[in-house]
Amino acid sequence: DTGVSQNPRHKITKRGQNVTFRCDPISEHNRLYWYRQTLGQGPEFLTYFQNEAQLEKSRLLSDRFSAERPKGSFSTLEIQRTEQGDSAMYLCASSPTGTGGQTRGFYSGNTIYFGEGSWLTVV
Amino acid sequence: SQKIEQNSEALNIQEGKTATLTCNYTNYSPAYLQWYRQDPGRGPVFLLLIRENEKEKRKERLKVTFDTTLKQSLFHITASQPADSATYLCAFRRGYGGSQGNLIFGKGTKLSVKP
Repeated sequence: DTGVSQNPRHKITKRGQNVTFRCDPISEHNRLYWYRQTLGQGPEFLTYFQNEAQLEKSRLLSDRFSAERPKGSFSTLEIQRTEQGDSAMYLCASSPTGTGGQTRGFYSGNTIYFGEGSWLTVV
Repeated sequence: SQKIEQNSEALNIQEGKTATLTCNYTNYSPAYLQWYRQDPGRGPVFLLLIRENEKEKRKERLKVTFDTTLKQSLFHITASQPADSATYLCAFRRGYGGSQGNLIFGKGTKLSVKP
């Protein structure tokens, strides 16, 4: 399977524990994204890497959340001192660098490819 | 701030009919708008992208329109099938300076196609 791979797919943890999710992007993609999705809502952007550099972080990414992509390949998302409100599906996505050039000062919007998600339940 | 709304939480139609889903946005028009399909417990799957200078885009039984005057995109599935039942999400990029993957998603419309 050459798609975006996420592990574990499901995690149940007690409040206050730390959890870590791993994402392996599509191999030739140098851009990697993390999103969070709760029931009945669309995905919400958390953070973005280009290679190993973390270039954007949402204000949703509190100081209990940390994401890394040390070698520009796989990424980890760690949540410390989990709270019940952290229960959600954490989605990873990847995309190649845009090759379409820029129009009017911004990218033309390459497709991003999502993984199957990692479900977190905090009890 | 930029917002995106999908007016219907759920849409039920009969097999063979055309499903039409609506996506509205506020403030400035995005450079492009995307539609995704999401099945229960799965990640979203990209379907179509339409740019602001394109009025219509087609892919097999799918058609997307983009009306910057109405600030609206319509997503059509013709000759719908029960296998088309899923949640459909629209999304666009947040702002002009952010990454192409920093997308704002609507809440989605859950489509059910009855045989």
